Amino acid sequence: DAGITQSPRHKVTETGTPVTLRCHQTENHRYMYWYRQDPGHGLRLIHYSYGVKDTDKGEVSDGYSVSRSKTEDFLLTLESATSSQTSVYFCAISDSGGNQPQHFGDGTRLSIL
Amino acid sequence: QQQVKQSPQSLIVQKGGISIINCAYENTAFDYFPWYQQFPGKGPALLIAIRPDVSEKKEGRFTISFNKSAKQFSLHIMDSQPGDSATYFCAASEGGKLIFGQGTELSVKP
Repeated sequence: DAGITQSPRHKVTETGTPVTLRCHQTENHRYMYWYRQDPGHGLRLIHYSYGVKDTDKGEVSDGYSVSRSKTEDFLLTLESATSSQTSVYFCAISDSGGNQPQHFGDGTRLSIL
Repeated sequence: QQQVKQSPQSLIVQKGGISIINCAYENTAFDYFPWYQQFPGKGPALLIAIRPDVSEKKEGRFTISFNKSAKQFSLHIMDSQPGDSATYFCAASEGGKLIFGQGTELSVKP
């Protein structure tokens, strides 16, 4: 398995609270991605990073922000969580951009009550 | 708007049979088409991938067939086994941004 650790693995929180999810990699890959997975939607890209401090929006970025201060860590923040953000969040990494394989972590299950 | 449409939503196959999952896309700028396999509680794992200049790619029991003119591609699992029971996702990429299909839940009966 690719060296990807997501934390926490499970979290329950209340509407309106800030939440930060962490993705840590040991592969020294340049690209990192955050996806959310919901029934009937597959996985949808939230944000991605192509280097330290270099990030860009994905398909469903509203309500989310990201930061990458080190190659190995990519943080996803929900500034004020809403029930619609209840989902399973996956981090992925890729050695280079373009059409190279992306390898996924095992996800964080987030419930917002 | 679903850019990658996947069917069927669920599939039941007998052990030893062939499992076929289909995907269709609209964006002709897509230039990389991976398939992922996901088991419960785990992240998606890359199974096999193809580029549009190739019509077929085979790895073991898994084959991707790609029809560029029809904008369709499919995954064939030969000699399906109970251990293949999982959710399968097709995806299409433009510049490294993956767009996923909705997923197919495959169940292989012994």
